[in-house]
Amino acid sequence: EVHLVESGGGLVQPGGSLRLSCAASGFVFSNFPMSWVRQAPGKGLEWVSLVSASGGSTYYADSVKGRFTISRDNSKNTLSLQMNSLRAEDTATYYCAKEYYENSGYSHFDHWGQGALVTVSS
Amino acid sequence: SYVLTQPPSVSVAPGQTARVTCGRHIGGYSVHWYQQRPGQAPILVVYDDDARPSGIPDRFSGSYSGNTATLTIIRVEAGDEADYYCQVWDSSSYQVVFGGGTKLTVL
Repeated sequence: EVHLVESGGGLVQPGGSLRLSCAASGFVFSNFPMSWVRQAPGKGLEWVSLVSASGGSTYYADSVKGRFTISRDNSKNTLSLQMNSLRAEDTATYYCAKEYYENSGYSHFDHWGQGALVTVSS
Repeated sequence: SYVLTQPPSVSVAPGQTARVTCGRHIGGYSVHWYQQRPGQAPILVVYDDDARPSGIPDRFSGSYSGNTATLTIIRVEAGDEADYYCQVWDSSSYQVVFGGGTKLTVL
């Protein structure tokens, strides 16, 4: 059974940094692209970033480009999101999500974690 | 950038049929649908326009015509009350795009 467990959320001041992690199990982690998707309180889903299965390609939403960095450690089955220069509008629950297709491009997500809450406030 | 337009809300009585639409600004991509109940993570209910993951009831179906994708739920139950989001992968910009979401209310 696929399990995705996020950690690292919390309260941070504007301009600060935070690193989220997602521990994956139940599938061959190194074969699947992974994404971060966030949801501000009371708002809709917003895709944040995607990393290819190998980690060699990364993509970002315009709203976080240059501030956030996605990475993965396939030896530890772990996905990460380094968030710098945080703003109040980055306040959200951050979900890690597994790509449906194995080693075959990017499409949609068949499994999601339960999310980690990030609050940016002074 | 790619835009997916959803109605903010849809209401339906139990046992009736609910239809949630997703209008594409530009056509040609496969559409996927997620259900999100309050306080829970999203769940994939339809992918590639009209395919259904294992474990999803056959009351849920997807279709696409013209510039609009539609999620249809027949014989609606109280447990179907949730937010529904459509999503595409925009290969021209290498970005995942979500619609704004539709709140389904079961009267």
